[in-house]
Amino acid sequence: AQKVTQAQTEISVVEKEDVTLDCVYETRDTTYYLFWYKQPPSGELVFLIRRNSFDEQNEISGRYSWNFQKSTSSFNFTITASQVVDSAVYFCALSEEGYSALTFGKGTMLLVSP
Amino acid sequence: EPEVTQTPSHQVTQMGQEVILRCVPISNHLYFYWYRQILGQKVEFLVSFYNNEISEKSEIFDDQFSVERPDGSNFTLKIRSTKLEDSAMYFCASRAETGHYEQYFGPGTRLTVT
Repeated sequence: AQKVTQAQTEISVVEKEDVTLDCVYETRDTTYYLFWYKQPPSGELVFLIRRNSFDEQNEISGRYSWNFQKSTSSFNFTITASQVVDSAVYFCALSEEGYSALTFGKGTMLLVSP
Repeated sequence: EPEVTQTPSHQVTQMGQEVILRCVPISNHLYFYWYRQILGQKVEFLVSFYNNEISEKSEIFDDQFSVERPDGSNFTLKIRSTKLEDSAMYFCASRAETGHYEQYFGPGTRLTVT
């Protein structure tokens, strides 16, 4: 069975600090997809990134970067120079096939104070 | 930019009543999903729908739940006889058929059962 663990329940940082959100996953499939979603206080779920199991290249998008390591089954998310608008709950998710259900972690609440 | 829409944004109902939650997926998407999120908890998969039939469902999706695509644009979730524990945010999501496996979520419907 697949599982996603986000051990950090809540992280508080001051604006401009860098912060890393951890995600560890379990799956028996060799082909799988990893995702990060952001849930701001308004409640919607915003897609941030998808990663395929066969592509371990790290990705950077502006202040966001993702570190995918199959050897440790981790898919960590770093926000550089955090801003107050980054305050949200961040969910890591996994799907074992391209079309199947997402299994979400419990989420990490990020609080960025001015 | 195309987006998933959901109505109503908030529904209050009495225990034992039937509710129908409505979703309009992104127009060229062919995979549809319902998830729920009990307040403060993680997002949980309910059901996926493809080619006019259920492709996958979770243990939560029991006989009280049903889904339907009544026309070319709407996708509905019906709860036949609501219970207090059905109170949650219900998210609809949709996904393109090939190439892109990320699911795009609607803003959610907050269901309150009293």
